[in-house]
Amino acid sequence: DVKVTQSSRYLVKRTGEKVFLECVQDMDHENMFWYRQDPGLGLRLIYFSYDVKMKEKGDIPEGYSVSREKKERFSLILESASTNQTSMYLCASSPPASGRGEQYFGPGTRLTVT
Amino acid sequence: GESVGLHLPTLSVQEGDNSIINCAYSNSASDYFIWYKQESGKGPQFIIDIRSNMDKRQGQRVTVLLNKTVKHLSLQIAATQPGDSAVYFCAENRGSDYKLSFGAGTTVTVRA
Repeated sequence: DVKVTQSSRYLVKRTGEKVFLECVQDMDHENMFWYRQDPGLGLRLIYFSYDVKMKEKGDIPEGYSVSREKKERFSLILESASTNQTSMYLCASSPPASGRGEQYFGPGTRLTVT
Repeated sequence: GESVGLHLPTLSVQEGDNSIINCAYSNSASDYFIWYKQESGKGPQFIIDIRSNMDKRQGQRVTVLLNKTVKHLSLQIAATQPGDSAVYFCAENRGSDYKLSFGAGTTVTVRA
């Protein structure tokens, strides 16, 4: 089974802090994604990466950056956390031959910025 | 803008009945659609997918229907069980990359 793990289930940070969210997948997938999930808005794509050291902006990249130094690991960085970044963050991965759709998700990190 | 949306944010179903969850999309260029189930405290899990060259696809207790004429997608769950209580998302792939665009989700509650 594909396994996507995220470093924390719950995280509380203060406004202005730098926050790192880590994601690791164990299936040698090329593609990795970061989403945030908010009530009534579904999942919105922040960034994605289709290869090591490659990244592309999603729909809501402002206030975020990412890092992909190894194939299995994709990090989301909040340079200076703000209260409007309080959300559920979901990481996903997919192989290139997945039919351009099926993504495997981690359990999520619920981030609260106070 | 173009988006994927669900008709109803919540659905209450009697155990044993069939459930129908609807989704409307507006991008006629979308060629791949997928349904996810998200249980409380977990990430979304794949249920079933369908390509635009198909009208219907069946899985175990689930059926996805695609009506490209009216840009409508639905998920049917047969004999709904308590374990089907979850948030259901439809998603579309709008082009040649690997990005998905998700709807807002429908929360399904199964009544005993």
